[in-house]
Amino acid sequence: KAGVTQTPRYLIKTRGQQVTLSCSPISGHRSVSWYQQTPGQGLQFLFEYFSETQRNKGNFPGRFSGRQFSNSRSEMNVSTLELGDSALYLCASSSQGGNEKLFFGSGTQLSVL
Amino acid sequence: GESVGLHLPTLSVQEGDNSIINCAYSNSASDYFIWYKQESGKGPQFIIDIRSNMDKRQGQRVTVLLNKTVKHLSLQIAATQPGDSAVYFCAEVGGGTSYGKLTFGQGTILTVHP
Repeated sequence: KAGVTQTPRYLIKTRGQQVTLSCSPISGHRSVSWYQQTPGQGLQFLFEYFSETQRNKGNFPGRFSGRQFSNSRSEMNVSTLELGDSALYLCASSSQGGNEKLFFGSGTQLSVL
Repeated sequence: GESVGLHLPTLSVQEGDNSIINCAYSNSASDYFIWYKQESGKGPQFIIDIRSNMDKRQGQRVTVLLNKTVKHLSLQIAATQPGDSAVYFCAEVGGGTSYGKLTFGQGTILTVHP
């Protein structure tokens, strides 16, 4: 069974631009979560989607948004990029998204110049 | 609380030694805990989990201990190998249904010397 797939692997953008990251969960998994990882703040929860609905959201500004499609694939979008948005963005999937382990992809490394 | 990771604790061991990685969690209502391993350039990889109604769980070469009284979690790795070198994170799930939200610890860097 294939793991969680994230594209692209690396991305370089400039301040003010927007970016869209993609995630394909493990086959059969319906819950997709997104995390931001930085050296200063560690791993922080962005949001979770299940059946195309956002069920949970972390403490990030509205510039960070996401969506989920009917095949459970998910995208996250960051608008009006800031230098501080440079981070590794990780997607994780699980069967139902309840209190269960998450399986992570390798992430998208975003650099904002 | 949220994860903060300016300076990660480090643990350096010799190949074949046993390793113990510790984690203090913040939410006394947390009822599910997970250990992850993250190698350079990869996402966190699941190692072992434990629910709050248990105090010990064993896997292959790994054991997790949970002490709810002092809100402490530990990961023991037996016969540590160079391939175990990575950053190790504990993660907790708060009481109730988390819907995909894990609260991660700051992480510990494990270095195994051949």
